[in-house]
Amino acid sequence: TQLLEQSPQFLSIQEGENLTVYCNSSSVFSSLQWYRQEPGEGPVLLVTVVTGGEVKKLKRLTFQFGDARKDSSLHITAAQPGDTGLYLCAGFLEAGGYNKLIFGAGTRLAVHP
Amino acid sequence: ETGVTQSPTHLIKTRGQQVTLRCSSQSGHNTVSWYQQALGQGPQFIFQYYREEENGRGNFPPRFSGLQFPNYSSELNVNALELDDSALYLCASSQAGGGSYNEQFFGPGTRLTVL
Repeated sequence: TQLLEQSPQFLSIQEGENLTVYCNSSSVFSSLQWYRQEPGEGPVLLVTVVTGGEVKKLKRLTFQFGDARKDSSLHITAAQPGDTGLYLCAGFLEAGGYNKLIFGAGTRLAVHP
Repeated sequence: ETGVTQSPTHLIKTRGQQVTLRCSSQSGHNTVSWYQQALGQGPQFIFQYYREEENGRGNFPPRFSGLQFPNYSSELNVNALELDDSALYLCASSQAGGGSYNEQFFGPGTRLTVL
């Protein structure tokens, strides 16, 4: 069982459409991050949210951290083919004096022209 | 400022063999974390090294071991390879003491195939 559940697992949309990816957990995280990963590469950090209820915008991407710091969402407006990739959410859990990063299984997004 | 680098990029081994993967951390970073990413999955935390000592470990057996060197570079060693060890192995570096979370920067990974 994944500590962080992401949905949907796969998303195939047309250019210009909007989409939302969800990341849910029963655990409270000190912070949560969203990454994007291209094939054959490591994940690249998009954003970190720290405060419950926080909303951050990165161009056409809007990230929200739930009030209870257990869930998060990523909304993309007017998706473009360049947005295609694997989107991963990851939460920091404080454990025994260090911060452990827990990843969800990812949402694979394909945006078709 | 150089980013995180990993070597080799690809590796093919057979069951029962041993493998060593290497990671050079980003300049100024003193902490290295290793992750295993199976095909179609998110990265799974293996362990973390800080100042040459393991200071956190995920749910991986003892045949997964590591080292961190005085220059903060790191190695991941896997003994008695199994088919399920086939995955992308990611290294991430960070600077401990940076606040409530330590932003991690990932390398490109090493793709290990066990036949």
